[in-house]
Amino acid sequence: DQQVKQNSPSLSVQEGRISILNCDYTNSMFDYFLWYKKYPAEGPTFLISISSIKDKNEDGRFTVFLNKSAKHLSLHIVPSQPGDSAVYFCAASASNDYKLSFGAGTTVTVRA
Amino acid sequence: GAVVSQHPSWVICKSGTSVKIECRSLDFQATTMFWYRQFPKQSLMLMATSNEGSKATYEQGVEKDKFLINHASLTLSTLTVTSAHPEDSSFYICSALGQGGSNEQYFGPGTRLTVT
Repeated sequence: DQQVKQNSPSLSVQEGRISILNCDYTNSMFDYFLWYKKYPAEGPTFLISISSIKDKNEDGRFTVFLNKSAKHLSLHIVPSQPGDSAVYFCAASASNDYKLSFGAGTTVTVRA
Repeated sequence: GAVVSQHPSWVICKSGTSVKIECRSLDFQATTMFWYRQFPKQSLMLMATSNEGSKATYEQGVEKDKFLINHASLTLSTLTVTSAHPEDSSFYICSALGQGGSNEQYFGPGTRLTVT
């Protein structure tokens, strides 16, 4: 049973515009959320995270928003750059467990 | 900092043989490492949790006798795929848990296994 869902398998956005990636989760025990970026044939690299005590975390061009009541989080990338083209995974964990549950990923393509 | 390496990066083996994949934390000690498997265009699926000095904890549906995990030191975990079959062909990724109680996992570059 997929506890973390990314319902959009792909996203195409023009360079300079905003990319919005969405993620939903079902397990109410999750209290720590992460976004990873992955290029083909490489391991994921950590991008940004948020704990459940916050509803927003910002790091440069990347902002993650968390809506606990809706069990929904989103990643905003602004402005989008060609180098942002990759697969983005949403992941979640519970404080009593270091294991991560991953979504299926969203492939972002930034058009020049 | 927090670099994790994997070796080999890709391997082709014949059906029935065994393959060992190494995962190393290069600049930090990792008491806990994780092994994932990724099929094309799918999510990373956790296979097992590897704890230094103790037996690995396998996720439901993962055969522990087929996927042998050894975490003999604080910087090395190995995954051995025994009696490999074509359906074991996949991308195997390890990660190491950050120090100091952090939830962050640092991922290796992955190993592409092809069983012919």
